Amino acid sequence: AQTVTQSQPEMSVQEAETVTLSCTYDTSESDYYLFWYKQPPSRQMILVIRQEAYKQQNATENRFSVNFQKAAKSFSLKISDSQLGDAAMYFCAYRRRSNFGNEKLTFGTGTRLTIIP
Amino acid sequence: DSGVTQTPKHLITATGQRVTLRCSPRSGDLSVYWYQQSLDQGLQFLIQYYNGEERAKGNILERFSAQQFPDLHSELNLSSLELGDSALYFCASSGLAGGPGNEQFFGPGTRLTVL
Repeated sequence: AQTVTQSQPEMSVQEAETVTLSCTYDTSESDYYLFWYKQPPSRQMILVIRQEAYKQQNATENRFSVNFQKAAKSFSLKISDSQLGDAAMYFCAYRRRSNFGNEKLTFGTGTRLTIIP
Repeated sequence: DSGVTQTPKHLITATGQRVTLRCSPRSGDLSVYWYQQSLDQGLQFLIQYYNGEERAKGNILERFSAQQFPDLHSELNLSSLELGDSALYFCASSGLAGGPGNEQFFGPGTRLTVL
């Protein structure tokens, strides 16, 4: 079974600074996807960024980027120029790739990010 | 707005009762997933339906059941409720293929409180 581990229950960062959230996972699959979801106080689950395991290039979405280390099974999220609106719970998630339709997401326990003005 | 709707937003009930949570997927999405989030925890997968058929099951309790109707909306039924069932229940939907473009889009969730 796949597992996702987020070892930082809480993180804080000064506004405009950079912060990195850690995630490790365990799987025997070679083809899969990794995600970071943001959950603000509204509780809505918002997709931040996605990484396809067969792609070596790290994904980037504006101020958000990942460091994907497949051999180490590590998938960290870097937030640059942190803004007050980035304050939220961040969940790392794994999904197996399948040719037979979409698969479930396996989530980590989350990291609560606080932005200090 | 993800396009996935869930009703009701909040539900307060007593132990031993039964409730039904409803989910309408995005237009055209055939897959519906149910997840449970308890007390600032990660989301736990409960069950998946694809075009009316059960496709995958997670750690769903026997007291819980779900179905997907011909119009593709789905209902999650929770019975003999216990205090520990208090949680945020999310529904998500996705399209046909398992490729990178077919993300799971989450509804706003139903907050269940069992007293």
